Amino acid sequence: EVQLLESGGGLVKPGGSLRLSCVVSGLTFSDAWVTWVRQAPGKGLEWVGRIKSKAASGTVDYAAPVKGRFTISRDDSKYTVYLQMNSLRNVDTAVYYCSHDTSGYYSLHTWGQGTLVTVSS
Amino acid sequence: QSALTQPPSASGSPGQSVAISCIGTSSDVGGYNYVSWYQQHPGKAPKLMIFEVNKRPSGVPDRFSGSKSGNTASLTVSGLQAEDEADYYCTSYTGSNNLVFGGGTKLTVL
Repeated sequence: EVQLLESGGGLVKPGGSLRLSCVVSGLTFSDAWVTWVRQAPGKGLEWVGRIKSKAASGTVDYAAPVKGRFTISRDDSKYTVYLQMNSLRNVDTAVYYCSHDTSGYYSLHTWGQGTLVTVSS
Repeated sequence: QSALTQPPSASGSPGQSVAISCIGTSSDVGGYNYVSWYQQHPGKAPKLMIFEVNKRPSGVPDRFSGSKSGNTASLTVSGLQAEDEADYYCTSYTGSNNLVFGGGTKLTVL
């Protein structure tokens, strides 16, 4: 059974940084494409970005609102994908989910439980 | 990339059918057969219900079906049950390795 577990959320001041982790189990991690999605309180889902497997060049794609501020990376030895968030803004306050993309075209079959990031002074 | 357009709400009585639309453009919904639908109950993570327009993951009841015509995709829930009450989101691949979500539809079972 594929499982994803996020961690690292918390309270951070505007302009600050935070790193989220997503540990993946139940599959060959090196083949996994992982997508980050966020949900602001009371709002809809928003795509943040995705990292492909190393075999697919490990390419990362980002949504426009986070490009240049957020960085997605992976450590295959730790079965973990990271979301480094810098220059955080109030509007980045959200629950952040990681998910497993089985198709390469964003069929997000399995999701983590999410981790809450609050940006506030 | 603009969000896909979904109705904010939909409703139906138990046993009835309800369809939720998802309107995009030729750059997303109309251009690719990579539309997915997700169900989200309050306080829970989203759950994949339909992928690649009309495919169901294992474990999803066949009461849920998906279709697409032009730039509009649809999710139909037949034989509505109380547990179907949730928020539903459509997504589409956009062709530039990006993903776009719909604004979400709150389905109420009357």
